[in-house]
Amino acid sequence: GAGVSQSPRYKVAKRGQDVALRCDPISGHVSLFWYQQALGQGPEFLTYFQNEAQLDKSGLPSDRFFAERPEGSVSTLKIQRTQQEDSAVYLCASSLAGSGGASIGELFFGEGSRLTVL
Amino acid sequence: DAKTTQPPSMDCAEGRAANLPCNHSTISGNEYVYWYRQIHSQGPQYIIHGLKNNETNEMASLIITEDRKSSTLILPHATLRDTAVYYCIVRARFGANAGNMLTFGGGTRLMVKP
Repeated sequence: GAGVSQSPRYKVAKRGQDVALRCDPISGHVSLFWYQQALGQGPEFLTYFQNEAQLDKSGLPSDRFFAERPEGSVSTLKIQRTQQEDSAVYLCASSLAGSGGASIGELFFGEGSRLTVL
Repeated sequence: DAKTTQPPSMDCAEGRAANLPCNHSTISGNEYVYWYRQIHSQGPQYIIHGLKNNETNEMASLIITEDRKSSTLILPHATLRDTAVYYCIVRARFGANAGNMLTFGGGTRLMVKP
């Protein structure tokens, strides 16, 4: 379909493993966001890209979290040496517009990747 | 961005109007009110937004008080498929202070019952 696609939908990792979560935004969308959602909580902001530039990474909880969007389309969220507290749903969202003087536009979310760390 | 306060949960009978309140007493002049909802196991979905005038679309109506310190999302004829968590968010939409991201609170868990 034409929506935001995330993979894998479900990932089980052993503590200490590295994981990579992929996001395919809607074609042509300039802005891309990653959110983390713990069970029973609202989504929490992790990081934001405008095209290939990572403009805000203030929400990344530790240096084990790394995100990239090298060509300004697909993005990958990587978590190194996973811990149990990393267990959550990781949501990706995209928006047509960029920031800075113009509307950021409505955000379109994917269905998320559910990470369980054992 | 201004913070919002919502009741943690609400029930609504199927076919009746669902009125979801939100307080945003510290909202500033350039901040819009947005509503998103999240159905179980899905990502959040945009519903509606407004600045100061009431807004209506195919999904819902948004009523914003004259002082803009609170708003109500109205689902006119709730169905079982409207069962979800509803998030009220305030964010600057334009200009140098336009927020890059949405800041979600806890939302209101709406249960539509047959």
